[in-house]
Amino acid sequence: DAKTTQPNSMESNEEEPVHLPCNHSTISGTDYIHWYRQLPSQGPEYVIHGLTSNVNNRMASLAIAEDRKSSTLILHRATLRDAAVYYCILAYNNNDMRFGAGTRLTVKP
Amino acid sequence: EADIYQTPRYLVIGTGKKITLECSQTMGHDKMYWYQQDPGMELHLIHYSYGVNSTEKGDLSSESTVSRIRTEHFPLTLESARPSHTSQYLCASSAGTSGTHEQFFGPGTRLTVL
Repeated sequence: DAKTTQPNSMESNEEEPVHLPCNHSTISGTDYIHWYRQLPSQGPEYVIHGLTSNVNNRMASLAIAEDRKSSTLILHRATLRDAAVYYCILAYNNNDMRFGAGTRLTVKP
Repeated sequence: EADIYQTPRYLVIGTGKKITLECSQTMGHDKMYWYQQDPGMELHLIHYSYGVNSTEKGDLSSESTVSRIRTEHFPLTLESARPSHTSQYLCASSAGTSGTHEQFFGPGTRLTVL
């Protein structure tokens, strides 16, 4: 199974951009790259996903490397409410996802 | 906002009791999942279903069982609760089985077995 590697934790200042990296060197051609986040005491929520091209939505942007072996989730202006654990996940053909430890993002005022 | 609900949100129960955690979604999704998550730890997939009358075990061995008699309902049952079952249980659903479909999560049930 293709796995992802993320830093355990990152810090950011409020209203500054945040770049959360993810390595997935064994990704296969049909794997989608998903990002979810989990706020304290809540279930995970979907952030964004992509296959090959960069993606933008109201929450974030996803930059995917040309060889697809890495990706970066970009929060354009971090707020205190963005403090959460962010998971980078590869979704297989049957949509099964394996959640790793994720990156714990701390946002400082 | 996702239309997926879990009850109860919190449950404290004694050892040996039978419990059922409820999960319902109103989105008509075929695929549903149960995950288990200890505090500060990773989510582990324990059960999933492709649709009515379909149930599969996930990666993490669990003493719980599930059923899928209706599309919208995916309850999880523990026949005899033990302290080792203390954890958070998260239910999720998705519209399809390809990697392009996002999963919608419920708020979770935090179970404590004394």
